[in-house]
Amino acid sequence: EAGVAQSPRYKIIEKRQSVAFWCNPISGHATLYWYQQILGQGPKLLIQFQNNGVVDDSQLPKDRFSAERLKGVDSTLKIQPAKLEDSAVYLCASSRAQGAIDGYTFGSGTRLTVV
Amino acid sequence: GENVEQHPSTLSVQEGDSAVIKCTYSDSASNYFPWYKQELGKGPQLIIDIRSNVGEKKDQRIAVTLNKTAKHFSLHITETQPEDSAVYFCAARINYQLIWGAGTKLIIKP
Repeated sequence: EAGVAQSPRYKIIEKRQSVAFWCNPISGHATLYWYQQILGQGPKLLIQFQNNGVVDDSQLPKDRFSAERLKGVDSTLKIQPAKLEDSAVYLCASSRAQGAIDGYTFGSGTRLTVV
Repeated sequence: GENVEQHPSTLSVQEGDSAVIKCTYSDSASNYFPWYKQELGKGPQLIIDIRSNVGEKKDQRIAVTLNKTAKHFSLHITETQPEDSAVYFCAARINYQLIWGAGTKLIIKP
């Protein structure tokens, strides 16, 4: 099966600019996650979708971050305006369903550098 | 809430030797424990997992053990090879969420 697709792979922007990331999960996977991974740290969950509904966005900085999954398939994560501390790898992952006890499949991530 | 501690943060072993990474969790309701391997420039990849009703699981050179009483689980890699060099993350599932450890950088010395 095809993996989780993410684009772009790399992005460099200036602070206060906006940026958007795209993710296409594995076909049939109902649950989609966006994670932020700062260099040297473990992944931090930003938002979790079940189909096109938000399950958990408690750690999403909602004053600058937004995410949507309108048709329950692909998703976009946006940052506006970006800050220096947003420099990180943004990982998208998917799993079969929220209630399924199985692992997540991750994409390769988008490395964001804010200068 | 759930907390997962992972040790050591860095592990250096001779090629061919075994490597063991340990994690402890705090919430006894956790029911699923995956291990991920992350190579440079890539996303984490699931390498093995164990559910709370199982004590041990093996897949070739990789094994995971779970001690529910002590609330800890471990990753064992035998006959280590250069391609095992990576960062390894443990995680514990509670209430549909994965709580992650901080990661272990495994270095395989030739």
